[in-house]
Order: sequence, then C-alpha cells, then structure tokens
Amino acid sequence: GAGVSQSPSNKVTEKGKDVELRCDPISGHTALYWYRQSLGQGLEFLIYFQGNSAPDKSGLPSDRFSAERTGGSVSTLTIQRTQQEDSAVYLCASSLAYSDTQYFGPGTRLTVL
Amino acid sequence: ELKVEQNPLFLSMQEGKNYTIYCNYSTTSDRLYWYRQDPGKSLESLFVLLSNGAVKQEGRLMASLDTKARLSTLHITAAVHDLSATYFCAPTLSGNTPLVFGKGTRLSVIA
Repeated sequence: GAGVSQSPSNKVTEKGKDVELRCDPISGHTALYWYRQSLGQGLEFLIYFQGNSAPDKSGLPSDRFSAERTGGSVSTLTIQRTQQEDSAVYLCASSLAYSDTQYFGPGTRLTVL
Repeated sequence: ELKVEQNPLFLSMQEGKNYTIYCNYSTTSDRLYWYRQDPGKSLESLFVLLSNGAVKQEGRLMASLDTKARLSTLHITAAVHDLSATYFCAPTLSGNTPLVFGKGTRLSVIA
C-alpha cells in the first residue's frame, strides 16, 4: 500500500520568505510527526499530532514554525521568514494510534539561500 | 529529559567480520526502535523492542534490549557491503510519543 508521502521533495528559497511543506500520512494512521534532520543537530522532533488532541508543539524551535493537520489526515508545516539555519531535511512520519512503529516519508530538503 | 548516546559514531569494518553498535539512554523508556538510513534516503524501520530482554533478528542483524541497564545493542554478524548505511536507535517514553534519536552510527563495510 501507499506509504507516507511528502512534497515538495526539494525546496530552495530565499532568506525571509515563507515556505509550506506537505505530508500525506498512511491512510488510517492517526498519529503524525514532524522531524528535521540537519548535519549540526542530527534528527530532532518538531511537532506531533494524535487524533483530535491538541498537538505537542514542544519541539518547534521558534514561533516562526507552525503546523496544521486538516481532517485528521494531511499536515502542513509552515516556516515563516526563513533563515539559513532552517536549511535541513524535514521528515514526516505516521503511526497507528497504538502501533509500535513510525513510518517515515522521503523528506523535503529545504535550502535557504 | 530522555537523552540517547550511540557509539561508535563511525564504523568501518571488513566484510565477514562481526561488530556491535551500542545505544545508551538516560531515563526509563517504554520501547526502543532501530532504524536504517541509506545516503539521501529516508528512515527504514528495522526493529522495535518492547520489553526487557527482548531480542529480534533479521538476517545478519540482531537487536537486544536491557531496560535495567538502559542499553540496546545492534549486533552485525558476518558483515556484507549491503549493510553499509547509518543506523539510528530511538527510544520513546511511551508508545505514541516522539522518537528521541541517537546521533547515528555510520557503518561502512569494505571488502
């Protein structure tokens, strides 16, 4: 079946612009996670959605970062006024409510010039 | 706060040799995952370990968990080139909380 998909696969933007990254989780998965991977920081958690509960935003690095999950499915991660340190690969993962595995998408490579 | 330490961070090994990657974590964890990442690719789930003493094996890889020692190991037996990748361990505090990743072990298997 279809896995987690993300778009775009690559995004190059200029410093100060806003970007939106999209994640389509596996159908039926109620939990959705955003992580980012960079050379300096490794893999780090950003935000987590579980069903209709309030999201866990404890990993967001600044108020320039926000995310939504519409209809319990697709999620959009928005970065406002991008900075060069935002350059990274942004990974989305999903899991069943009580599953023991998170399945990762292919990622979006963001480059801020 | 859950902290994870993996070692070694870099590992170059000859084909046919055995080696172990270690993953220590700082607080009680509900479960622990191992993932593999090939260059330029996303993360592929290898194992999930749910209880003390759990051992799982897939091909030349075997993972184990000692929750009392807060230690997981990934043992490689008779390495082959196809195993070259970066391996991450990731414990969680509970079943549906975010993964906390180690820095990864970059494995290179050479002839």
